[in-house]
Amino acid sequence: KNEVEQSPQNLTAQEGEFITINCSYSVGISALHWLQQHPGGGIVSLFMLSSGKKKHGRLIATINIQEKHSSLHITASHPRDSAVYICAVGSYGQNFVFGPGTRLSVLP
Amino acid sequence: GAGVSQSPSNKVTEKGKDVELRCDPISGHTALYWYRQSLGQGLEFLIYFQGNSAPDKSGLPSDRFSAERTGGSVSTLTIQRTQQEDSAVYLCASSLGDSLYSNQPQHFGDGTRLSIL
Repeated sequence: KNEVEQSPQNLTAQEGEFITINCSYSVGISALHWLQQHPGGGIVSLFMLSSGKKKHGRLIATINIQEKHSSLHITASHPRDSAVYICAVGSYGQNFVFGPGTRLSVLP
Repeated sequence: GAGVSQSPSNKVTEKGKDVELRCDPISGHTALYWYRQSLGQGLEFLIYFQGNSAPDKSGLPSDRFSAERTGGSVSTLTIQRTQQEDSAVYLCASSLGDSLYSNQPQHFGDGTRLSIL
């Protein structure tokens, strides 16, 4: 079974700061999913990627297949970005395994 | 609505009772997933449907748990003889195709918060 780690566990930033959240996994995968869980519990899919880089607004996700590592970047962070960010990895024949999440707080 | 709908949103029941949780996926989504999130814990995969069949049931924690999906749409997750350790938020997600093969994102419902007394 894939082991998924995220760092940092908790992150506090000032509004406007550039934020990076990291995800590493132990076994080769076919897809990686970045999710955002709001304080109320709702989960939103941010990115699904299997190679390279994707950008959506202020969010950028990258993945390095060889190094088994992905990063989620938030530019010009805002208090509404405060949430738990979860990385999930999936491989053929094995469904998604979730990381423990990174709790982000952005202070005004 | 256009999103994944789960019901009930909250369920409190006594230990030993059976419970049934329902998920209405987004129309046209062939793949449906059930997950569990226990208090303070990460998300845990339970079962995955492609159409009405469940190619992966590997996450179901015991034989007290079962799930079915009919008409390629609504799914129910049933927990028999509930135990206190079953208390968790049960989340359903759907995607246009199998996420792993089609790179389609999963859309999550708001979950059912299950409390076993």
